[in-house]
Amino acid sequence: QVQLVESGGGVVRPGTSLRLSCVTSGFDFTSYGLHWVRQTPGKGLEWVALVSFDEDNTFYPDSVKGRFIISRDNSKNTFYLQMNSLRPEDTAVYYCTASPAMVTFDLWGQGTLVTVSS
Amino acid sequence: DIQLTQSPSSVSASLGDSVSITCRANQDIGTWLAWYQQGPGKAPILLIYGASTLKSGVPSRFSGSGSGTDFTLSIRSLQPEDFATYYCQQSNSFPLTFGTGTKLEIK
Repeated sequence: QVQLVESGGGVVRPGTSLRLSCVTSGFDFTSYGLHWVRQTPGKGLEWVALVSFDEDNTFYPDSVKGRFIISRDNSKNTFYLQMNSLRPEDTAVYYCTASPAMVTFDLWGQGTLVTVSS
Repeated sequence: DIQLTQSPSSVSASLGDSVSITCRANQDIGTWLAWYQQGPGKAPILLIYGASTLKSGVPSRFSGSGSGTDFTLSIRSLQPEDFATYYCQQSNSFPLTFGTGTKLEIK
């Protein structure tokens, strides 16, 4: 049974950091590209980060580039999103997703809410 | 960035009806388009990729078509579980982007 389970969300102040984790099981983790996607009521779905199956490549949109870092631990079937210099506009539900094709979102977690507010 | 505009933003239909949702890209994306379904309070589910390839396990009443800049998701013989929000997503180039969403409501 495929599972992706996020953790680490919460309420934080602007300018601070937070790390999200996604523990996975039930699929060939080392063959999948791994993403974080966020969703807000106002802006809909937004792709946030991608790490390739071999960890050699990471990709980000300009909105988070330089602030967020995606990483993976293939020995633990787990990946992470380190979020630094958080802004109120980063407030969203963050989903971890996995893709064998790297550029679609085949498998999803249940989401974790991040609220950035003073 | 590639922008995807979906229409309509919402549509009402009855059980057993057929509906179509369109997604227009602001530049040519070939067939690098996927469709997702999202129920209330749930994560999205991948339905179609490559514009027209149904993901394994997705009912055959769903179909996708199009290439270039204009794409369509069609659902025939609507079932209760089909009433949800649908999003398109392009994978032609980074940043990966999603459409604006279409909410399918029961009439």
